[in-house]
Amino acid sequence: GQNIDQPTEMTATEGAIVQINCTYQTSGFNGLFWYQQHAGEAPTFLSYNVLDGLEEKGRFSSFLSRSKGYSYLLLKELQMKDSASYLCAVSIINDYKLSFGAGTTVTVRA
Amino acid sequence: DADVTQTPRNRITKTGKRIMLECSQTKGHDRMYWYRQDPGLGLRLIYYSFDVKDINKGEISDGYSVSRQAQAKFSLSLESAIPNQTALYFCATSRMDGQASTDTQYFGPGTRLTVL
Repeated sequence: GQNIDQPTEMTATEGAIVQINCTYQTSGFNGLFWYQQHAGEAPTFLSYNVLDGLEEKGRFSSFLSRSKGYSYLLLKELQMKDSASYLCAVSIINDYKLSFGAGTTVTVRA
Repeated sequence: DADVTQTPRNRITKTGKRIMLECSQTKGHDRMYWYRQDPGLGLRLIYYSFDVKDINKGEISDGYSVSRQAQAKFSLSLESAIPNQTALYFCATSRMDGQASTDTQYFGPGTRLTVL
């Protein structure tokens, strides 16, 4: 299986920036995904990286380094509604499944 | 209307009962998945199916079975429910078109199951 690590919890202030790191160990890497999940709700797709570099989508950006087995999700201009769990997931070539990390719970405080 | 729906949304049952959770999708996706989520453990794959005639076990299939009745429907059954199957269950779908990004999965709203 894949070994996917991300911090359990993070706290930040409204308007600030938070960076959620994810490291993985796998062979046949095909892509890295980030999902947002509010408490008791379904995970929703945020971003997908397959090549090295930064992908920006509004206030959210995701970075990937394939050689280092490392990704981060950057949340800028934090809002209270960003309080949620953020899940890192990895896909493997020709496997068509996702392996999820345990998730990072982000709490945004006023 | 939601693209991926799950019924029921909440269920309380007793040990030993047979339970079926249903998932339907209107996304036209071929691949469907069942996960359970427990606090601190993240999402764990129970079963998955890539078309109507294809069923595969995930990492925690013991105590569960599935049926892919049609491209759009994928049901999960607990043959004899036990308390440690109390969890949040999610169905997910993804498409199959040869692109790397098709591993993106789209989730239903979840079923909260409590086994007493």
